[in-house]
Amino acid sequence: NAGVTQTPKFRVLKTGQSMTLLCAQDMNHEYMYWYRQDPGMGLRLIHYSVGEGTTAKGEVPDGYNVSRLKKQNFLLGLESAAPSQTSVYFCASTRGPGTGDNQPQHFGDGTRLSIL
Amino acid sequence: SQQGEEDPQALSIQEGENATMNCSYKTSINNLQWYRQNSGRGLVHLILIRSNEREKHSGRLRVTLDTSKKSSSLLITASRAADTASYFCATGSGGSNYKLTFGKGTLLTVNP
Repeated sequence: NAGVTQTPKFRVLKTGQSMTLLCAQDMNHEYMYWYRQDPGMGLRLIHYSVGEGTTAKGEVPDGYNVSRLKKQNFLLGLESAAPSQTSVYFCASTRGPGTGDNQPQHFGDGTRLSIL
Repeated sequence: SQQGEEDPQALSIQEGENATMNCSYKTSINNLQWYRQNSGRGLVHLILIRSNEREKHSGRLRVTLDTSKKSSSLLITASRAADTASYFCATGSGGSNYKLTFGKGTLLTVNP
């Protein structure tokens, strides 16, 4: 079991470029999340999904888009990267409804993104 | 906005000592969770305590929850150098049964 896998692990972009971060989980989890982690700010929720084909905005969604076409994958897109989006991005997943409230989340090891 | 806030922001102790970290939150919760993050890695779930529980143990970890004070503490006993990491509390609130709100974390350094 790989758990939650994020690709790529590192990336450097120029302002205005676009890219997609991929998150894949092999635990058949229903819920998936994208967070960003900045120094002194903790983790902030960008977008999340409660099932295949669904997405919803989190705390800091501006400048990002997401898609969940397959249950195991959750993609985070940056259409026009800005220096303020330099951060470490984490994907997480958790079990679905009927398994109890606020189940533990399983995290990938992050994507370190620098925007010049 | 941050729901949980850890205290202290940083803690440095010697191997073998106990480490205590605190978390305060603002609104009612379903449960409170503690996570560990080693440098350069993702968060790893340590322990979950439900709102109707007061204390929970897991190995060298002891978590307490005081809902009247809206606070929790994580105690790591007999610390080891390998416990060096950042520790985060996360709360699940009644308004959402699938989202967590994370604090900013406590950086624990255990010196050999």
